[in-house]
Amino acid sequence: KQEVTQIPAALSVPEGENLVLNCSFTDSAIYNLQWFRQDPGKGLTSLLLIQSSQREQTSGRLNASLDKSSGRSTLYIAASQPGDSATYLCAVRRVKGSGAGSYQLTFGKGTKLSVIP
Amino acid sequence: NAGVTQTPKFRVLKTGQSMTLLCAQDMNHEYMYWYRQDPGMGLRLIHYSVGEGTTAKGEVPDGYNVSRLKKQNFLLGLESAAPSQTSVYFCASELTEGGYGYTFGSGTRLTVV
Repeated sequence: KQEVTQIPAALSVPEGENLVLNCSFTDSAIYNLQWFRQDPGKGLTSLLLIQSSQREQTSGRLNASLDKSSGRSTLYIAASQPGDSATYLCAVRRVKGSGAGSYQLTFGKGTKLSVIP
Repeated sequence: NAGVTQTPKFRVLKTGQSMTLLCAQDMNHEYMYWYRQDPGMGLRLIHYSVGEGTTAKGEVPDGYNVSRLKKQNFLLGLESAAPSQTSVYFCASELTEGGYGYTFGSGTRLTVV
């Protein structure tokens, strides 16, 4: 069974600092990996999607990397801002096949980020 | 651009009552999902659908039923609510399986007393 771990559970940084959020997964046979942002009381917003054949994806100040062989992904946030404060969730999808597992994302519990002005 | 809309946003139920949560998407997505989010547990898949008229069980299906009579709507039903079903429920959809990622609704906060 796939397990996804995000460390740390919470992180507080001063504004302007670059930071890295970590995600690890136990089964390297993944189809893709997705990073989400969740604001308090809100739904999840997709940030970046990395296919298993890719090593990284970038969007603005965000860069996500994927190392399948080691079961790790990182989300790098450059020049952090107070508006980046949210919970960041990592989710992995297993290899395509038949049955329930083909469609299910396995989520980590998230890292709660606070950017202090 | 509505995306994925969930109704209601909040609901309090008494134990044993029934209710239906509605998820509607206007993006012509084939795949739709219902998740629940609990503190310390992360998001867990309840049921999903790979197209109109189809449904399948996810990780935690007990106590829930679903229907996908129309492509744009995915309904989650609780026949006899229990306090253990107190949670935040999220609906998500995607165009095809795995390729483009999920779009989530804003959630329904359900309390069963």
